[in-house]
Amino acid sequence: GAVVSQHPSRVICKSGTSVKIECRSLDFQATTMFWYRQFPKKSLMLMATSNEGSKATYEQGVEKDKFLINHASLTLSTLTVTSAHPEDSSFYICSASFAAGTSGMDTQYFGPGTRLTVL
Amino acid sequence: GQNIDQPTEMTATEGAIVQINCTYQTSGFNGLFWYQQHAGEAPTFLSYNVLDGLEEKGRFSSFLSRSKGYSYLLLKELQMKDSASYLCAVTDSNYQLIWGAGTKLIIKP
Repeated sequence: GAVVSQHPSRVICKSGTSVKIECRSLDFQATTMFWYRQFPKKSLMLMATSNEGSKATYEQGVEKDKFLINHASLTLSTLTVTSAHPEDSSFYICSASFAAGTSGMDTQYFGPGTRLTVL
Repeated sequence: GQNIDQPTEMTATEGAIVQINCTYQTSGFNGLFWYQQHAGEAPTFLSYNVLDGLEEKGRFSSFLSRSKGYSYLLLKELQMKDSASYLCAVTDSNYQLIWGAGTKLIIKP
């Protein structure tokens, strides 16, 4: 149980284009989904937290207009990197949890990640 | 500030035991997680501790001392596939998850 999928797993795009990454919880309803990015040999950096049906909460320093997050259903969240540039190249990972993020016991289950390369 | 400390890298021998330590200074505490992350892959959940003591799960055990702000992950009967990074993460009083930088564990035959 608790399987999270991400699509695509790898994407290469030209600078200036937009890229959409999907995150799906396959066998549970994810009230809360999280988006992370990770640079090589670095730890996870939380970008935003999204609750189904409401606007995402972005971490300090993360541009809302550049990283658009939509959490339209309990099983799907999307991250769109708009007007991507080479510095946006990174490993983007989503995770999902069962509850509303109000309990310290909310285990996060991670998707397999999306490696984005912007040329 | 909030801080989680883990060793950057450790090396151990196949079949042996290794202990990965994690110390934390956070604003409040609501639980500590350990995740395993293989190179190029997303993290996978290993364990969760909220009360003091040892939680055993097969070859892996996790220990917590809240008064000392300390946890460790113990891996027994090491296998080559255990070569990975091990991430310690703490939930603070606002239920924010604070991540450590991870410990890269290298297993040698």
